[in-house]
Amino acid sequence: DAGVIQSPRHEVTEMGQEVTLRCKPISGHNSLFWYRQTMMRGLELLIYFNNNVPIDDSGMPEDRFSAKMPNASFSTLKIQPSEPRDSAVYFCASTLWAWDRNTIYFGEGSWLTVV
Amino acid sequence: KQEVTQIPAALSVPEGENLVLNCSFTDSAIYNLQWFRQDPGKGLTSLLLIQSSQREQTSGRLNASLDKSSGRSTLYIAASQPGDSATYLCAVMVSGAQKLVFGQGTRLTINP
Repeated sequence: DAGVIQSPRHEVTEMGQEVTLRCKPISGHNSLFWYRQTMMRGLELLIYFNNNVPIDDSGMPEDRFSAKMPNASFSTLKIQPSEPRDSAVYFCASTLWAWDRNTIYFGEGSWLTVV
Repeated sequence: KQEVTQIPAALSVPEGENLVLNCSFTDSAIYNLQWFRQDPGKGLTSLLLIQSSQREQTSGRLNASLDKSSGRSTLYIAASQPGDSATYLCAVMVSGAQKLVFGQGTRLTINP
C-alpha cells in the first residue's frame, strides 16, 4: 500500500499567491482529513470529508482557505491569497470509518513557507 | 470543548530505562484515544488505538492505558532504545464526530 500521498512536499511562495496542496488518500478509505501543524498551535483539524462530502469545515481559518474532494481518490486544499501566517505543515490523513476502529493514516505533509 | 494536555513537554532518559508519558483530556465523551509517533520532518504514525470501552492496548514494548472516567491515558515504553527518540502525540476522537483532538506532544530523547 502506497499510503497517503501529498504534494508538493515543500513549497515556498510569495505573499498574495495562490497555493494548492494535493492529497491522494489510501485506496478504500472513506474519510479524509486536512490538518495544519504549527509550533504555536500544534495540530489543528481544518476540514474533513466523509464519502467525498465535507462534513465539518469549522476549523478552516477564513475564506481564503477552501478544500474540495471531487472523487474518492483526490482532494485539494487551496489558499488564495496566501499570507505569511499561513506558513505551516499541512497534513492530509485518511481512514476507513467504522465505530469500532479508526486508525488514521497520515501523509508526510506539505511544508509551506509564505514570504 | 475538548482539550488534550501532555506532560512532560520534553523528556530525556538513558537507554534501557522504562518510561511513562502522560495524556489528559477534559471531556470523557470520546470514541477512542490514539497515540502517535512523529519523527522530525515526517508525518504521524499511529502506534496504539484504545476504544472507549477498553482499558489498555499493547504492541511490543509499548503499552497504553485509558481511564476514561478520570480523563487520563499513559503510554508506557519498556527498555527504551535510541530509535524510540521522537515526538509522541496523544489524540482523542470526539464522540459524535470524526474529529481527532491532539495534545501538544512529548519530545522524547533516548541517550545511548
